[in-house]
Amino acid sequence: QKEVEQNSGPLSVPEGAIASLNCTYSDRVSQSFFWYRQYSGKSPELIMSIYSNGDKEDGRFTAQLNKASQYVSLLIRDSQPSDSATYLCAEGDSGGSNYKLTFGKGTLLTVNP
Amino acid sequence: KAGVTQTPRYLIKTRGQQVTLSCSPISGHRSVSWYQQTPGQGLQFLFEYFSETQRNKGNFPGRFSGRQFSNSRSEMNVSTLELGDSALYLCASSLDPGVDEKLFFGSGTQLSVL
Repeated sequence: QKEVEQNSGPLSVPEGAIASLNCTYSDRVSQSFFWYRQYSGKSPELIMSIYSNGDKEDGRFTAQLNKASQYVSLLIRDSQPSDSATYLCAEGDSGGSNYKLTFGKGTLLTVNP
Repeated sequence: KAGVTQTPRYLIKTRGQQVTLSCSPISGHRSVSWYQQTPGQGLQFLFEYFSETQRNKGNFPGRFSGRQFSNSRSEMNVSTLELGDSALYLCASSLDPGVDEKLFFGSGTQLSVL
């Protein structure tokens, strides 16, 4: 059974710092990985996807994938208080069905002004 | 463009009852997925429908079922409710996840089983 592991946190960083969120997964053949952000009382929102080894940047967000180590990370540069949320790591189904995601339990990030 | 709409927002039921939850996807989206979210287990995949067909199902008992209508609206049903079914049930829609990876989640239905 697929598993995605995340440190539950909370992770606390000062405003302007880099927040680093990490995730490991169990299925060696997984092809797609996603980071979702969930504010308290709200629904998850996709912020990054990554399919290939290496880095993918989008604004202040960088996703990193290392398939050999089965490791995915999300870096948030210049963290803002509005980034305070739970970040969910997810992997897609091995068969390429991106609707069937296996989620980690999430890491709570707090950015302190 | 309206987002994913789930109704009702809150539900309180007692053990043994059944419940039906409704989801209206974003206009034009043909895929609807359902997830259960609990503090202990996190988000878990229930099932997915595309063009009225269930394409995949998660590891949940048969008490959990769903369907999709020709207008892409979807319902999920839970029969013989148990205390452990208390959770936030989230619906997500997509054009077709094989083509467009992005899932858009609704606000969810918070189910409490007493």
